Amino acid sequence: GQNIDQPTEMTATEGAIVQINCTYQTSGFNGLFWYQQHAGEAPTFLSYNVLDGLEEKGRFSSFLSRSKGYSYLLLKELQMKDSASYLCAAMDSNYQLIWGAGTKLIIKP
Amino acid sequence: GAVVSQHPSWVICKSGTSVKIECRSLDFQATTMFWYRQFPKQSLMLMATSNEGSKATYEQGVEKDKFLINHASLTLSTLTVTSAHPEDSSFYICSAHPLRGGDTGELFFGEGSRLTVL
Repeated sequence: GQNIDQPTEMTATEGAIVQINCTYQTSGFNGLFWYQQHAGEAPTFLSYNVLDGLEEKGRFSSFLSRSKGYSYLLLKELQMKDSASYLCAAMDSNYQLIWGAGTKLIIKP
Repeated sequence: GAVVSQHPSWVICKSGTSVKIECRSLDFQATTMFWYRQFPKQSLMLMATSNEGSKATYEQGVEKDKFLINHASLTLSTLTVTSAHPEDSSFYICSAHPLRGGDTGELFFGEGSRLTVL
C-alpha cells in the first residue's frame, strides 16, 4: 500500500534549527512536496524535490533520497511564526498526492 | 504567481440543505482540480479529482451522489454538498494544476471553505 510517515509533533526553540523527517512508500514516484499549514488556513507550498539531494530556499531546505524513500525539511533560524503544521506529500505514478498526517511544530521563545 | 480562489470561505447551514463551494483558477487554465477535506488535527484527505468536461473520479468511501462535482470550464470547478448533515462539517480545500506534474510541481490551493452544518 501507499504510506507516508512523519512525526506527529516536534518542539524547538526560537533561533534554533529543526529537521522534520518523512518516509514514503508509493506506487511510482513523481516528486515529494512539503507544505506549511497554519491552523484554519489552506496549505502553502514550501518545496518540491524529484531528484536526490538538497534544495535550499532561504531559511528552508528540503532533502530527498529516492533510494531510501526519505525526505526531510530543515528549518533554520526559527521564528515564532514558523509554528505550524508541516505536511509531507508524495506524488505517485498517477500524479496523485499521498499526504502525511502532518507534523505540528511548536516554537518556544 | 498562480492564484486559486475558493468561495465561500465560511458557510453555516441547516441540516438537510445543500451547499455549493466554488473553486476558480484566476490566471491559468486547469484541466484538473482536486477536492480535499480536512478534519481538525488531521491531514488532507483527497475526496475526488475533477476533470474538465468529464465525470469526476471519487476516492474510495466518498459518496458521489452526496458530493457533486462539476468542472464545467477550464477555470471553474464546483463541489455541492447535498442534504448536508452535521458530520459533513469540515474544512474543504480545492487545488489546481496549471500543468499535469508541472515544472515546479507546485499545487495551487484555494483558501479553503469551512462548512458548519447545524
